[in-house]
Formats: sequence, structure tokens, C-alpha cells
Amino acid sequence: EVQLVESGGGLVQPGGSLRLSCAASGFTFSSYSMNWVRQAPGKGLEWVSYISSSSSTIYYADSVKGRFTISRDNAKNSLYLQMNSLRAEDTAVYYCARDPGWGYCSGGSCYSGSGVFDYWGQGTLVTVSS
Amino acid sequence: AIQLTQSPSSLSASVGDRVTITCRASQGISSALAWYQQKPGKAPKLLIYDASSLESGVPSRFSGSGSGTDFTLTISSLQPEDFATYYCQQFNSYPLLTFGGGTKVEIK
Repeated sequence: EVQLVESGGGLVQPGGSLRLSCAASGFTFSSYSMNWVRQAPGKGLEWVSYISSSSSTIYYADSVKGRFTISRDNAKNSLYLQMNSLRAEDTAVYYCARDPGWGYCSGGSCYSGSGVFDYWGQGTLVTVSS
Repeated sequence: AIQLTQSPSSLSASVGDRVTITCRASQGISSALAWYQQKPGKAPKLLIYDASSLESGVPSRFSGSGSGTDFTLTISSLQPEDFATYYCQQFNSYPLLTFGGGTKVEIK
């Protein structure tokens, strides 16, 4: 059974830092690209970041670029999100989500990521407040 | 950035009803659309990908259609466990992925 378990959330002051972790099990973690997706309280979903299976390709949403860093340790079956310079608008539940690995081609370009999320963790709440 | 507009934002329906949710993209996205179901306090669940492909294990009462800018998610006969919020998501502008605002399906 595929399982994704996030941890590391909590209360942090504006300008502070936090590191989220996602422990994966039930599948060959090193073969799959992974993502972070967040959801502000009572709001919709927002994709945050993507990392390919080998860490060779990384993408960020504009809203977090330069402040957040995604990484992974395939030996530990773990995904991470280092969040720096946190703002009130970063308050959200953060989910790690698996990419199914189908790949995606559009307009003559092909990507290792599929752009969809087939398994999600239960989420960890990050609250940025003084 | 591609915007996705879902309608309605909420609806009330009874068990057994046929329910249709619409997702409109601000520009053409071919069939690069997915649908998710989210229950309160839970993570989203993938229902449909590539606009009309049913994810493994998802009941056949769920179906998706559309291409270009207009898409629909249909639940043919609403069941008690289907009361939830539904989100569309586009991946045509990969890696810039965006979600719709959500449609909450409530019990009438």
C-alpha cells in the first residue's frame, strides 16, 4: 500500500524557517517524481514544487521561488521542503504528492513529470504568525 | 497563467441525482485536465486524468468529458460517500500547474 506521511509543520514567525519531511513507503520511491502542494485554510489547492526521481529536474511556483528548496533522499525514501523567509500567506496545509510517472509531452517538449498527482499524504499544517 | 473557473461553486443534491460540474480554462488546454475529490480534513484523491480517463479503483459513476476550454465532471447517480469538494487541475502549461477554485457538493 502506498503511504506518504508528512511531518515538520508547526507555528513559525514571519521571516522564519521550517523544514518539512515526507516519508514514503509501499512503492519504489527512487523511481517516482514527487511534488509539494499546499492548501490555505478554507481555500483551494496550490502546486508548490516538483522534483524528478533523480533530483535532476526541479520546478517551483513563482510564489515560493527563491525562498523554498525541494530535495529528496532516495536512500531514506524521503522528500523534503526547506522553507525560508516565511510569510503569513504561506500558512497552509502542505501535502506531498506522487507523480504517476507517465510523462507529458506538449508543443514539441516532453517532460518526465506527468502533471497530475496520484497519491497524497495526509498533510502537515504550517502556520506563519507572530 | 492559465486560470480555471469552476461552476457552480457549490450545489445541493440528493442521493441518486445526476450531478454535473463544469471547469472552464482561460485558454485552450487540449485534454490536459484532471479532477480530484476532497473530503473534509482529508487529502485530495485523483478521479479523472486526461479529461476523461478514469483512475484505477474509481467507481464508474464518475466520468469526465471535454477538451480545449470546456470540461465537465459527471456523477451519474450521487452516493452518500460522494458528498465532498471537487477540484479540476490543468497541466497543459507544465510545469506551471493550476487548480480550479473547487465545487462543494452538499446534501439537499
